[in-house]
Amino acid sequence: GAVVSQHPSWVICKSGTSVKIECRSLDFQATTMFWYRQFPKQSLMLMATSNEGSKATYEQGVEKDKFLINHASLTLSTLTVTSAHPEDSSFYICSARDRTGAAYEQYFGPGTRLTVT
Amino acid sequence: GENVEQHPSTLSVQEGDSAVIKCTYSDSASNYFPWYKQELGKGPQLIIDIRSNVGEKKDQRIAVTLNKTAKHFSLHITETQPEDSAVYFCAPAPYGNKLVFGAGTILRVKS
Repeated sequence: GAVVSQHPSWVICKSGTSVKIECRSLDFQATTMFWYRQFPKQSLMLMATSNEGSKATYEQGVEKDKFLINHASLTLSTLTVTSAHPEDSSFYICSARDRTGAAYEQYFGPGTRLTVT
Repeated sequence: GENVEQHPSTLSVQEGDSAVIKCTYSDSASNYFPWYKQELGKGPQLIIDIRSNVGEKKDQRIAVTLNKTAKHFSLHITETQPEDSAVYFCAPAPYGNKLVFGAGTILRVKS
């Protein structure tokens, strides 16, 4: 149980275009989902927290107009990188918190590798 | 905010030996202490966690010990195997709050 999927697993896009990444909780309902970014050989950095049906809360330094997050249902959150640039190339990872589980547990997805050319 | 330090940054052990990774945190409100294992190109996987009302927890070859007074907790892996080679992250958090990841420890198990 407690499986989180991400789609796509990798994507290559041209500079200036937008790309959408999906995060799904497959066997549980997630009231809260988190989006992280991880650069090579670095740790995970939290970008934003999204709660179902409300606006996402962004961490300091993360541009909310560039990284659009939508959490429209209890099993799906999306991250759209708008007007992507090469410096946005990174590994994007989502996690989800089970609405019926312990408040501190997060289940992580497998990640999405974004390359902007 | 929470400051997290993880040591060592790299650890090489011989197969069968033990490995210990230490995580120091600053926020006294933290009461959830997980360890994650991340293999190359994959998302992190929770391997063990502990709550603040417990001093030690063990799951087969893996254990976590917590010293809340000193604000540190450690991951212990015994009888290491090549498949234990990965990057390990600690991520302490206050109850219901967001995880703050350490910088990570690269563990290499030599066979």
